[in-house]
Amino acid sequence: QKEVEQNSGPLSVPEGAIASLNCTYSDRGSQSFFWYRQYSGKSPELIMSIYSNGDKEDGRFTAQLNKASQYVSLLIRDSQPSDSATYLCAVLPGQNFVFGPGTRLSVLP
Amino acid sequence: GAGVSQSPRYKVTKRGQDVALRCDPISGHVSLYWYRQALGQGPEFLTYFNYEAQQDKSGLPNDRFSAERPEGSISTLTIQRTEQRDSAMYRCASSLWSNEAFFGQGTRLTVV
Repeated sequence: QKEVEQNSGPLSVPEGAIASLNCTYSDRGSQSFFWYRQYSGKSPELIMSIYSNGDKEDGRFTAQLNKASQYVSLLIRDSQPSDSATYLCAVLPGQNFVFGPGTRLSVLP
Repeated sequence: GAGVSQSPRYKVTKRGQDVALRCDPISGHVSLYWYRQALGQGPEFLTYFNYEAQQDKSGLPNDRFSAERPEGSISTLTIQRTEQRDSAMYRCASSLWSNEAFFGQGTRLTVV
């Protein structure tokens, strides 16, 4: 069974701090990895994709992938209250996406 | 259209009725996915299409659920003889070809 696991949180960080969100997956053949942000009552919004081992930076966001350890993480630098949301990790082991349960992030002013 | 469009946004139906949920993907997107999301959970896979071909329907809960995409664009998810346990947010997403997927606003289904 293809699984994606995340700590459900809530993860609370003070404004301006770095938020670190982690995700592990079970299917070693997975090649594509995504982070979605979902505000309460809204639909998931794609914020990062990563396909190769290492880091990928986009503004305040950095995605990190380690296929050998089967984990992917998302770092949010200079966290803002507007970053408070649920962050969903998604993995593409074949041709359909498998989502984790999401981690709820709360950035405290 | 510019984004994925789902209709209706909200649907209240009586138990035992059939419902049809519609998804209009981003123009040119080959892959179309249906998910169901319970409150506080991640999206749960139902089925997906490449063009008009249904590639995987392993996530459909039972045979009351079906989906089609006859012309490779708009898709319809149909639930027959609805039950209260079918109440959920149903989400559609599309991608160019099994890569980055973009979600519609979802259809909130309530079975009373």
